[in-house]
Amino acid sequence: EPEVTQTPSHQVTQMGQEVILRCVPISNHLYFYWYRQILGQKVEFLVSFYNNEISEKSEIFDDQFSVERPDGSNFTLKIRSTKLEDSAMYFCASRGQHYEQYFGPGTRLTVT
Amino acid sequence: DQQVKQNSPSLSVQEGRISILNCDYTNSMFDYFLWYKKYPAEGPTFLISISSIKDKNEDGRFTVFLNKSAKHLSLHIVPSQPGDSAVYFCAASVYGNEKLTFGTGTRLTIIP
Repeated sequence: EPEVTQTPSHQVTQMGQEVILRCVPISNHLYFYWYRQILGQKVEFLVSFYNNEISEKSEIFDDQFSVERPDGSNFTLKIRSTKLEDSAMYFCASRGQHYEQYFGPGTRLTVT
Repeated sequence: DQQVKQNSPSLSVQEGRISILNCDYTNSMFDYFLWYKKYPAEGPTFLISISSIKDKNEDGRFTVFLNKSAKHLSLHIVPSQPGDSAVYFCAASVYGNEKLTFGTGTRLTIIP
């Protein structure tokens, strides 16, 4: 069964450093998403991406964040200068023609 | 932002019995609802969805009921199995809007 994959599973970085989180969505899906879950809190929407552009973003997704689909398979989230409060699980998701979003296993980002 | 609420943080059910998980929402614009199951250190797994034109959707052991006037949905699992032990999230969206808004989750424990 096709699935969304994410790498790395765990990333530790120092405050102020740039990180890139990578995702491979399900191959025939056209809509891509990033969500995050801070420990003990809800899963929160960050951004959606369709047809090579951002279709919607939340107030969390400020100028420090960017997304890219550099080739036909990868979808990346870049945080330019990480802060302590960026520590969270980051989930990538994708969807096809129907409205169900399918999630990857997540990347745990720890900012020290 | 409490647009989607799951008021029971935990629920214990005996194996073989029915599990009923509840979710309330406040935003009357929501017209598509989903249930996800999440194991520790994994991403949310899509279970079942319902659009606001229906009041019930069934898939195997899982049935979702929607009461639009009460802004309430529930997930029924019958019969409950030990593998159903996980955290269950309800999520809501507006058709044409990509963002999923999640509840805080209910931890379901199935007692053998």
